[in-house]
Amino acid sequence: DAGVTQSPTHLIKTRGQQVTLRCSPKSGHDTVSWYQQALGQGPQFIFQYYEEEERQRGNFPDRFSGHQFPNYSSELNVNALLLGDSALYLCASSLGGKHQPQHFGDGTRLSIL
Amino acid sequence: RKEVEQDPGPFNVPEGATVAFNCTYSNSASQSFFWYRQDCRKEPKLLMSVYSSGNEDGRFTAQLNRASQYISLLIRDSKLSDSATYLCVVNPDTGNQFYFGTGTSLTVIP
Repeated sequence: DAGVTQSPTHLIKTRGQQVTLRCSPKSGHDTVSWYQQALGQGPQFIFQYYEEEERQRGNFPDRFSGHQFPNYSSELNVNALLLGDSALYLCASSLGGKHQPQHFGDGTRLSIL
Repeated sequence: RKEVEQDPGPFNVPEGATVAFNCTYSNSASQSFFWYRQDCRKEPKLLMSVYSSGNEDGRFTAQLNRASQYISLLIRDSKLSDSATYLCVVNPDTGNQFYFGTGTSLTVIP
């Protein structure tokens, strides 16, 4: 039973570039959420996808966008990268409705130079 | 005011000790509560859900106090392997997002 998988594991970019991160949810899960975790902080909610639509969005600028595919996998895109975007990006999957525990992937560590 | 607040610690306790973490939340309509554990440079892993009646899983006990808007995690007979950061998570009824605390760092010392 495959858990949540994310790619790539690590990524180094420069300011102004664009990046795409990928996530495959745990088998049987249909909802994908993305989080940003800065060093020493808890994860911060970016957005959640369900039925290929963005269901809810956290307090992140439009530079952060996403997509969910029919097979429930998801992408996170960040444009015009800033130094402050350096963080661990976590994908979490869950099943359907509210109040279900979320299961996290290993994350993508993004460094902006 | 933050949605979820935790004492960041660090907590340094000897093996075998009992340690408790508290976490307060601001949204009284919150419905779901969880404790996650995060090892250094790893992803958060679900430790346990927190139910209104309180619940126990081995050495771990979680409690919810709705009147005071806090949840707690008690770890009995601490093991070296319990060393990690413990994240308190709240899911308000009004939305789908999880609100995480900043985490409480625990180090169990031999």
